[in-house]
Amino acid sequence: GAGVSQTPSNKVTEKGKYVELRCDPISGHTALYWYRQSLGQGPEFLIYFQGTGAADDSGLPNDRFFAVRPEGSVSTLKIQRTERGDSAVYLCASSLTFTAEAFFGQGTRLTVV
Amino acid sequence: AQSVTQPDIHITVSEGASLELRCNYSYGATPYLFWYVQSPGQGLQLLLKYFSGDTLVQGIKGFEAEFKRSQSSFNLRKPSVHWSDAAEYFCAVGVTGGFQKLVFGTGTRLLVSP
Repeated sequence: GAGVSQTPSNKVTEKGKYVELRCDPISGHTALYWYRQSLGQGPEFLIYFQGTGAADDSGLPNDRFFAVRPEGSVSTLKIQRTERGDSAVYLCASSLTFTAEAFFGQGTRLTVV
Repeated sequence: AQSVTQPDIHITVSEGASLELRCNYSYGATPYLFWYVQSPGQGLQLLLKYFSGDTLVQGIKGFEAEFKRSQSSFNLRKPSVHWSDAAEYFCAVGVTGGFQKLVFGTGTRLLVSP
């Protein structure tokens, strides 16, 4: 595709439920990043992948959050036992290399009620 | 810990006037610095970046930024603002040498008055 695609664009879920957020990076981009943006804040780093492996997951807030990228392309961010504090826009970005420009998707707005 | 401060939450500028958005960072080594713009319904778009070399960096849409190590600043400037520049602007520092782990500021919302 032309850019980074994130689905769904909006997700409303009940507290305690499990959610999956999907990111389709730009074709050929080996680096993939997840950020979280809460209302009125700048994006906050969660995790980044080089190929299939998570190179740095130090930004994941706790063990309810997990991300995978099994074939080195599409990535899924998984959140278990969602809490109201998880409500935010989840942003995905990709780049050819770590020093090449990272292009962001439009995000998934997650609302936990 | 690395951090970025954008002291202005909102700025209003008249169309055609000049603009300067402030950014201060805290980072021990040589920083990798970025400015992004976020418009409603749009993803974050990179305006410019500084990795090394000339401290005055030119970006897209007529923006430029100047890295001042002595002041730990990376302010964004534009000589003449257009109404379409109204958006949220984020300064960020790269803590591992590239784009892979950016620390963002809280953003400055730019309003453009006619």
